[in-house]
Amino acid sequence: NAGVTQTPKFRVLKTGQSMTLLCAQDMNHEYMYWYRQDPGMGLRLIHYSVGEGTTAKGEVPDGYNVSRLKKQNFLLGLESAAPSQTSVYFCASSRQGAQGQPQHFGDGTRLSIL
Amino acid sequence: AQSVAQPEDQVNVAEGNPLTVKCTYSVSGNPYLFWYVQYPNRGLQFLLKYITGDNLVKGSYGFEAEFNKSQTSFHLKKPSALVSDSALYFCAVRDSTTSGTYKYIFGTGTRLKVLA
Repeated sequence: NAGVTQTPKFRVLKTGQSMTLLCAQDMNHEYMYWYRQDPGMGLRLIHYSVGEGTTAKGEVPDGYNVSRLKKQNFLLGLESAAPSQTSVYFCASSRQGAQGQPQHFGDGTRLSIL
Repeated sequence: AQSVAQPEDQVNVAEGNPLTVKCTYSVSGNPYLFWYVQYPNRGLQFLLKYITGDNLVKGSYGFEAEFNKSQTSFHLKKPSALVSDSALYFCAVRDSTTSGTYKYIFGTGTRLKVLA
């Protein structure tokens, strides 16, 4: 009954370092999303994927890259971390469909950039 | 583009009293609207959605939401608040992309505090 699993849960980076956040889902969902959550700004979409091998930009994609090589995994990369990328990152997945499928969220990765 | 607004950063209510968390939307076409709840150090959890049909939608944990097309609102309600309902609540709307796929736009969130 794992649902959406994010690793790591916490990380501290120095400015300029790179890292990859991993999201894994076991529900066979087609759609996957990466969001960042900042105080007073709600959730903002970074990138999303509508299927294996596909990715698309969201609202705030700059400084991030993503890959979806396997259907169950969605990776978020920070190429050169900046203090402005300090945030809580959430991954979500949902079924494909025209009927408004709800999203299932992981518990987040708390990332601090010093 | 679609959007949602949550006009209140925080709502305080006494335990046992009815609660309302407000959401207004701006969409072209028929709205697909959602409410999610977030507890501390956790991800968002789906509460309920409106797609079509009855304007009063029932969801998890005794919550319901009223869709009002003329006022473009989708307010979350509960007849009797519990201290355990204290959390951050998000309204969201589905947005269609130019490629025919879907993504979701979230409001800024409303912190609900239920006082014992």
